[in-house]
Amino acid sequence: DTEVTQTPKHLVMGMTNKKSLKCEQHMGHRAMYWYKQKAKKPPELMFVYSYEKLSINESVPSRFSPECPNSSLLNLHLHALQPEDSALYLCASSQDLETEAFFGQGTRLTVV
Amino acid sequence: GQNIDQPTEMTATEGAIVQINCTYQTSGFNGLFWYQQHAGEAPTFLSYNVLDGLEEKGRFSSFLSRSKGYSYLLLKELQMKDSASYLCAVSLLANQAGTALIFGKGTTLSVSS
Repeated sequence: DTEVTQTPKHLVMGMTNKKSLKCEQHMGHRAMYWYKQKAKKPPELMFVYSYEKLSINESVPSRFSPECPNSSLLNLHLHALQPEDSALYLCASSQDLETEAFFGQGTRLTVV
Repeated sequence: GQNIDQPTEMTATEGAIVQINCTYQTSGFNGLFWYQQHAGEAPTFLSYNVLDGLEEKGRFSSFLSRSKGYSYLLLKELQMKDSASYLCAVSLLANQAGTALIFGKGTTLSVSS
């Protein structure tokens, strides 16, 4: 299994809603990542988890809250988002410091 | 700070060879990756360089010079399906506990017949 699975694929939410994005991998990877990608822009790093501990938070607003319940799962909890948060949210995982990251297909989020 | 530069756009014709350059100034360098991303899809891994030199993988090759902070991706025998965004990404060691991929802005390659 060489897949990173993200759900849902599409999400439309209002500014007062609370929702969660989910990411799952069964490759035994110990590092997992959240990236945000706006149209025609490169992915921007949001969070890095290593061995289920948050190791990097790239100054992301608190309305985004990551959670790593176990080594296979990564969640991103969303609350009180703004329309400018609409983007493709990509999850990725990697085995160790010197191997490539595998990306999920992303969740396309629209905040209305 | 971290800085990764690559050309914004390139064009080429089918069957040709194209070289996409990437220069970087970063701290904690742990390797350089090239990813391909088609519109609306996730990035897919193409190549990885951590030591100086050339890595070849089929029609794609990638080169790294750590002393110059320079890499290139070489695509041979171009096909229409190679039209995509090519992302140079530097792996940075962070907090002793993991690495993070920092992406350049990407090069949009258009292949015409």
